[in-house]
Parts: sequence; structure tokens; C-alpha cells
Amino acid sequence: DQQVKQNSPSLSVQEGRISILNCDYTNSMFDYFLWYKKYPAEGPTFLISISSIKDKNEDGRFTVFLNKSAKHLSLHIVPSQPGDSAVYFCAASDPFVNNNAGNMLTFGGGTRLMVKP
Amino acid sequence: DSGVTQTPKHLITATGQRVTLRCSPRSGDLSVYWYQQSLDQGLQFLIQYYNGEERAKGNILERFSAQQFPDLHSELNLSSLELGDSALYFCASSVGRTGIEGGYGYTFGSGTRLTVV
Repeated sequence: DQQVKQNSPSLSVQEGRISILNCDYTNSMFDYFLWYKKYPAEGPTFLISISSIKDKNEDGRFTVFLNKSAKHLSLHIVPSQPGDSAVYFCAASDPFVNNNAGNMLTFGGGTRLMVKP
Repeated sequence: DSGVTQTPKHLITATGQRVTLRCSPRSGDLSVYWYQQSLDQGLQFLIQYYNGEERAKGNILERFSAQQFPDLHSELNLSSLELGDSALYFCASSVGRTGIEGGYGYTFGSGTRLTVV
């Protein structure tokens, strides 16, 4: 049972335009959501996060929106740049499997973003 | 360099064999997590260690085991290997539960690509 889903395996956008990556989840107990970016031959790197008590978090060109009623979050990249081309993973944290040693993250399948010059 | 070191970067072995993957966490991080990424799949959580003790277990096969040593490095042992075990294996570390404002982020290593032939 996939608790975190990214239904679009790939997305292609033109440089300068907006990229919108989507993520759906099923577990209403998730309390924190994160986006990671992964380049080939590298590990995922943390990009931006949002607490379940908020509906928007912005960091430069990156904004994450959370719609709790729809169990949906999205990552907006504006303007998109060729260097943004990577695989983006959505992840969620469940407080009921957390412990003081750190939280376990559940990841989606990833979306490959290609930004064309 | 993320600060999380994984060795080896690539490993090719035959079915039925046993391999050991090694991870050195970022300095100061007490938690180590192991994830598996199969072809076109998301990151599947395997196991978590905190300060030498197992703290959480995911979909880890009985043929797989892990441990964390007193110097906090961790090893993931994969035995009786099958073709389907071919995947990228990522190690991540975190200082522990940092709280909502701390971001819950992991730091990932660059992974070990295991190919079973």
C-alpha cells in the first residue's frame, strides 16, 4: 500500500516557465512533508518542507502548497531553470512511527523534471 | 560532499553471494537509515539505527541485516542474493528528532549501486 504517491513519472517544461510537481498521500496522520531533489549518481538532497499546520511555505523560487482536506501537496518552481532538471521525491513523516531517535520518512516514487533551454 | 560516505559506489556480484555495504554518517549524527531504490521505484525504507540500537524496521527481507557500530558507522549485509536485489542502496543520517522547526531532514549518501548477475 503506497501511502505517498507521485502520479506523474516525468514532466517537461520550458526554461522560465512554472514547474508544478504533485504528490498525494493517504495517511491523515502525516505531520510533516518534505521535497528532495536527486541528480544522477548522487543521493537525494533536501529542498523544502512544510508542517501540516501550514498550507504554504516559500523559499526563493520554490514554494510548497499543502491541501490537507485533499491530502495533496505540490511543489512550484518559478522560474524553472535547466539546472532544476532532476528527479524530485515527495516524502512524509508519520508522528506515530517517530521516536526521539529521529523520524521515518515515507517517500513517493519520484517525478523526473526536465527543463528545456 | 554531503558528509555521509557510502562504500563501495558500485558492486557486481553473482546470485547466491553475500555482500556488505558500508555507511559513515555525517559527523554528529546518531541516526542511520537504509533505503532501497529499485529501478523506477521510490525509496523504500529498510531499517533505522540510533546510537547503536535498532529503532525502526521497514520492508527488510530476512536475508538482509544491518548493524551500527560504536563509532556510529553502519553496515548493511545482503545474503543469498537474487537478481531482484539489484538496486541502489542509500544510507542517510540525522542528528535525531530536531522538532518541527528543525525540518526533519535527512542527509543522504551518494548510494551503492548493487548489480546481481
